[in-house]
Amino acid sequence: GAGVSQSPSNKVTEKGKDVELRCDPISGHTALYWYRQSLGQGLEFLIYFQGNSAPDKSGLPSDRFSAERTGGSVSTLTIQRTQQEDSAVYLCASSLVWGGAPADTQYFGPGTRLTVL
Amino acid sequence: AQSVTQLDSHVSVSEGTPVLLRCNYSSSYSPSLFWYVQHPNKGLQLLLKYTSAATLVKGINGFEAEFKKSETSFHLTKPSAHMSDAAEYFCVVSDPPGSNQGGKLIFGQGTELSVKP
Repeated sequence: GAGVSQSPSNKVTEKGKDVELRCDPISGHTALYWYRQSLGQGLEFLIYFQGNSAPDKSGLPSDRFSAERTGGSVSTLTIQRTQQEDSAVYLCASSLVWGGAPADTQYFGPGTRLTVL
Repeated sequence: AQSVTQLDSHVSVSEGTPVLLRCNYSSSYSPSLFWYVQHPNKGLQLLLKYTSAATLVKGINGFEAEFKKSETSFHLTKPSAHMSDAAEYFCVVSDPPGSNQGGKLIFGQGTELSVKP
């Protein structure tokens, strides 16, 4: 079946603009994660969804970052008033949930490369 | 808190020789441990995972890893490197399966593997 998809694959924006990044998880995967991969920080966790709720938002770096998930499927990560340090590859992953807890294997999308000029 | 340390940022081997990528972890729980591979401009692919079953874990493409609790290590090995193995490898730790902590992944800083002809 289809894997995790993300759009756009590349996004170039100007400092101060808002951007929206989209993730479409594998069908039936209730758990969804956002990660960020940057040169300085490596790969870091941002936020975790189970269904439409986000029990763990601990990785969001500032209040300029927010995410939502609707219908237990597609998720959108929004960055307001982008800064140059937001330039990174944003990765989405999804997994099944068993007995209320996420399964251990996460499947990653190809990522969105964000460049803030 | 969980963490993972990859002891080498870059490893270079000749084709046909063994590969050893070193990883140490720190965890308050019995962790789940993973190795992911990322080829240039590609997404993250799961190589193998350890989740408290057999301590020697076999993965795809001939890779193996051994969980050693006494050494808190999870080194990745392959008997004979191939040119196509050149990529970045990430050692990853997460909460154990069934945990209600959300299963977020904590990544090491990555080891870049180069394979010389």
